[in-house]
Amino acid sequence: SQQGEEDPQALSIQEGENATMNCSYKTSINNLQWYRQNSGRGLVHLILIRSNEREKHSGRLRVTLDTSKKSSSLLITASRAADTASYFCATDGSGGYNKLIFGAGTRLAVHP
Amino acid sequence: GAVVSQHPSWVICKSGTSVKIECRSLDFQATTMFWYRQFPKQSLMLMATSNEGSKATYEQGVEKDKFLINHASLTLSTLTVTSAHPEDSSFYICSARFWWGTANTEAFFGQGTRLTVV
Repeated sequence: SQQGEEDPQALSIQEGENATMNCSYKTSINNLQWYRQNSGRGLVHLILIRSNEREKHSGRLRVTLDTSKKSSSLLITASRAADTASYFCATDGSGGYNKLIFGAGTRLAVHP
Repeated sequence: GAVVSQHPSWVICKSGTSVKIECRSLDFQATTMFWYRQFPKQSLMLMATSNEGSKATYEQGVEKDKFLINHASLTLSTLTVTSAHPEDSSFYICSARFWWGTANTEAFFGQGTRLTVV
């Protein structure tokens, strides 16, 4: 099962530009997490934002969460070619320990 | 971060045979592991939740007799694709969370297994 949609599905930018990806979800959540996946590899955790938080930063990453709209965004500033990957949001349901449900993902290509 | 090791990273098998994929948490105990399936350029679809010492919980639409999950210890879960067919070809990924896990913890993922059934 998938939680929601991400947009855009694909994003192509030049090095140095910012990349913004959006994620929407359907049910109430405990937290929302963002992951990165290089082609054909496993996922790497980027950042977790709790349901009572609105914004969080980690290095060049900025994540926002709007629980009233059931949406989140991931901003990568000053992108690099090495940022080329697929990015997924994943929601962690409310009510205690739960499984992660992933969004559709955004394929980001950063060109030198 | 914690390490989850998945083996093999890729496997090719003949139609009708069974394939076992292992997922190990190397430096922590995982009472619960998760198995996902991913088709090319698509998202991860949760197949089942693997519980140490008890039966796995399968998502709707996933055949439990087709995808056998065993979680015999706090560090090992296995997924066996039985009587594999070409349509089972996919990328399978496992993940684990800390055993005392609250809902506010990240998940750690294995490297994934590329299964090709010929």
